[in-house]
Amino acid sequence: EAGVVQSPRYKIIEKKQPVAFWCNPISGHNTLYWYRQNLGQGPELLIRYENEEAVDDSQLPKDRFSAERLKGVDSTLKIQPAELGDSAVYLCASSYRQGTRSYEQFFGPGTRLTVL
Amino acid sequence: QQQVKQSPQSLIVQKGGIPIINCAYENTAFDYFPWYQQFPGKGPALLIAIRPDVSEKKEGRFTISFNKSAKQFSLHIMDSQPGDSATYFCAARKGGSEKLVFGKGTKLTVNP
Repeated sequence: EAGVVQSPRYKIIEKKQPVAFWCNPISGHNTLYWYRQNLGQGPELLIRYENEEAVDDSQLPKDRFSAERLKGVDSTLKIQPAELGDSAVYLCASSYRQGTRSYEQFFGPGTRLTVL
Repeated sequence: QQQVKQSPQSLIVQKGGIPIINCAYENTAFDYFPWYQQFPGKGPALLIAIRPDVSEKKEGRFTISFNKSAKQFSLHIMDSQPGDSATYFCAARKGGSEKLVFGKGTKLTVNP
């Protein structure tokens, strides 16, 4: 079974440019997460989707970050415009949630973003 | 404010040694404490997890010890191998929440 797929794996852009990351979760997983992992730090949640609905986006910097999960499957995270401080690894994870019970989160390999 | 404090930042042991990684938390609403293992270029992978109603959980060579009164938990790796060299993260989650709060990580090196 395929795991969480992310693309691109690496991205280098100039500051003020836009960038987008794509995530395909594990088949059947209804919950999708975007995390940001700064160098030497643990992942920090940016946004969580249950199906198509963003249910927790309190940590998403909404002035420049946006995300969508059309049809409740794939998701895209966008930054526009990018700033130097956005350099990080952007991780996507997915899990299955049934009622109040949550199952293990599976992480993708991440997209390493470098903003010059 | 860091909700989960992890130490040490890095750790070097010899093959067969027993590295111990410690985490402490303040929020008593946390009720799920997983440990993740991350290799370079990969996403974190769940290693083992514990809930506060038990004091110890063992899976293979990995053991979590949990001290509810001290609000601390630790990961022990028995008979460590070079293949265990990775970064380990502790995390915590509140009951009813999906949000994982991660520690800063411990880079473990197991020398042959």
